Amino acid sequence: DTAVSQTPKYLVTQMGNDKSIKCEQNLGHDTMYWYKQDSKKFLKIMFSYNNKELIINETVPNRFSPKSPDKAHLNLHINSLELGDSAVYFCASSQVTGGVGDEQFFGPGTRLTVL
Amino acid sequence: TQLLEQSPQFLSIQEGENLTVYCNSSSVFSSLQWYRQEPGEGPVLLVTVVTGGEVKKLKRLTFQFGDARKDSSLHITAAQPGDTGLYLCAEPSNTDKLIFGTGTRLQVFP
Repeated sequence: DTAVSQTPKYLVTQMGNDKSIKCEQNLGHDTMYWYKQDSKKFLKIMFSYNNKELIINETVPNRFSPKSPDKAHLNLHINSLELGDSAVYFCASSQVTGGVGDEQFFGPGTRLTVL
Repeated sequence: TQLLEQSPQFLSIQEGENLTVYCNSSSVFSSLQWYRQEPGEGPVLLVTVVTGGEVKKLKRLTFQFGDARKDSSLHITAAQPGDTGLYLCAEPSNTDKLIFGTGTRLQVFP
């Protein structure tokens, strides 16, 4: 069973288009995240949701709109795609315990290429 | 924002060699995690260190947390091709997001 799954795995599209990436976790976790990994492999948080509520929005352009229909799903919609949006997008989930260093479980990533 | 610098950025070695990867910060870590990311996959947690001076071992991997909790190292003994990947240190923040280091890309040749 895949713990955190994302679709699609690859996404190639033209500048100006609107696209969505879907994420699902079957771990029963209450918190989900979107991270962006650039061409230099630098991984940076974009959003986090806890029980369907937005917790973190790391100054991401408002062309990016996350949506969490339930706590097992966190989708990412991107409007008016730009060349600089090309990257690998990772979804992750964790169970926040209030302890130290809760483990985050990552999906396999979606490689977005904007032409 | 805390910046986690990792070194070296790239490392290519032969099977059987030993190596050490470093993670440094100008600020004190609350705790630190090490992840490994294989090509085409997401990062996977290897270890969490919490206490200054702590040493943890995971088979051929030894993780050390600096006494002042501002640095950490990952030592791999007798590297194997299966160790190839991107090694990332990360600090969990108080909002549960992970702040990742700049990464070390390791290639182990047979």
